[in-house]
Amino acid sequence: DSGVTQTPKHLITATGQRVTLRCSPRSGDLSVYWYQQSLDQGLQFLIQYYNGEERAKGNILERFSAQQFPDLHSELNLSSLELGDSALYFCASNRGRVNSPLHFGNGTRLTVT
Amino acid sequence: TQLLEQSPQFLSIQEGENLTVYCNSSSVFSSLQWYRQEPGEGPVLLVTVVTGGEVKKLKRLTFQFGDARKDSSLHITAAQPGDTGLYLCAGVAVDNTDKLIFGTGTRLQVFP
Repeated sequence: DSGVTQTPKHLITATGQRVTLRCSPRSGDLSVYWYQQSLDQGLQFLIQYYNGEERAKGNILERFSAQQFPDLHSELNLSSLELGDSALYFCASNRGRVNSPLHFGNGTRLTVT
Repeated sequence: TQLLEQSPQFLSIQEGENLTVYCNSSSVFSSLQWYRQEPGEGPVLLVTVVTGGEVKKLKRLTFQFGDARKDSSLHITAAQPGDTGLYLCAGVAVDNTDKLIFGTGTRLQVFP
């Protein structure tokens, strides 16, 4: 058990809709990372937060946004969903240094129909 | 642009065989991490290599960081079905220090 909790585990929704994915980091970790994993593209970095502030941004679409709350949990919001957004979305956490090992949750599988 | 290329992409072998997975880049990395991901789960860290030329062993797994810190390899001796999974390398490039980038992955299947 990594200590990172992601909800929901599965999400099925229609194109054009909006969803929110939630992540609770491991106890003591200040940094949260979001990754997207699809079959043909491996793990793509989306965004990182440290203690409530955005620290680094990857190839995150404008339709996607995230935030980290004072209690350090994080939410990833995906809007105007397209079929191509279907993927596994992983949250990971660590103490804050970017090259410190990441502890991953078990992911949210999003299916857009 | 994918900074970390892994090869092979897929590997299917019999129990008891040896194998090597490669992680290559044109960029220099301050360190490289190796993760294993099993179906339905998130990646789990196996090891971190920090110094150029470093070799680390984890039971039947041997990890090496290239002298120039641009590449790494993972060698598994006498593979077992429990080694089945997706192997991912990840690192922070010295010229892109705010992101941990993952490699393209090697999917390993070990048959009994």
